[in-house]
Amino acid sequence: EAGVVQSPRYKIIEKKQPVAFWCNPISGHNTLYWYLQNLGQGPELLIRYENEEAVDDSQLPKDRFSAERLKGVDSTLKIQPAELGDSAVYLCASSSSPSSYNEQFFGPGTRLTVL
Amino acid sequence: SQQGEEDPQALSIQEGENATMNCSYKTSINNLQWYRQNSGRGLVHLILIRSNEREKHSGRLRVTLDTSKKSSSLLITASRAADTASYFCATDDYGQNFVFGPGTRLSVLP
Repeated sequence: EAGVVQSPRYKIIEKKQPVAFWCNPISGHNTLYWYLQNLGQGPELLIRYENEEAVDDSQLPKDRFSAERLKGVDSTLKIQPAELGDSAVYLCASSSSPSSYNEQFFGPGTRLTVL
Repeated sequence: SQQGEEDPQALSIQEGENATMNCSYKTSINNLQWYRQNSGRGLVHLILIRSNEREKHSGRLRVTLDTSKKSSSLLITASRAADTASYFCATDDYGQNFVFGPGTRLSVLP
């Protein structure tokens, strides 16, 4: 079974440029999460999807961040424009259901560097 | 918001020794999970312990939960160099989201 796939693995951009990250969850997983992880810290939730619906985006900085999961499968997270403080690892995770008793399966992440 | 805090922040031990790391949290939980993250990789689920459980084992891992003290511990016995990683506890917020702590960075020296 393929795991959670993310691309690109690394991205270097200049500030004020746009950037997009892509995630393909494990087949059949209806719940998808985007996390931000700063160096030396744990992941912080940005947004959670149930199928194509964003059910929790309270931590997503909506002035510059957006996300979509149009067909309830793969998802894209966008930043426009990027700021220096956005440099971090962006992790995608999926689970078979929203229950907190289910484990989350994480992708390898996209490491973003904003210059 | 509720958050787990791991302790110590960093731990260095010799191969074969046991490693213990702790997690404290602030409010009531349904369950607590431990994850491992190798450098440059995503997190991998290790074990889940429910609020009505006190101890759980999985291979060389032993997790305890003390809800009265709002704390959990992860014990790795007979550590190996491959156990070198960051370890995170994650507590649910009585909803469907998890809050991760800052992690314990474990180094196992050969």
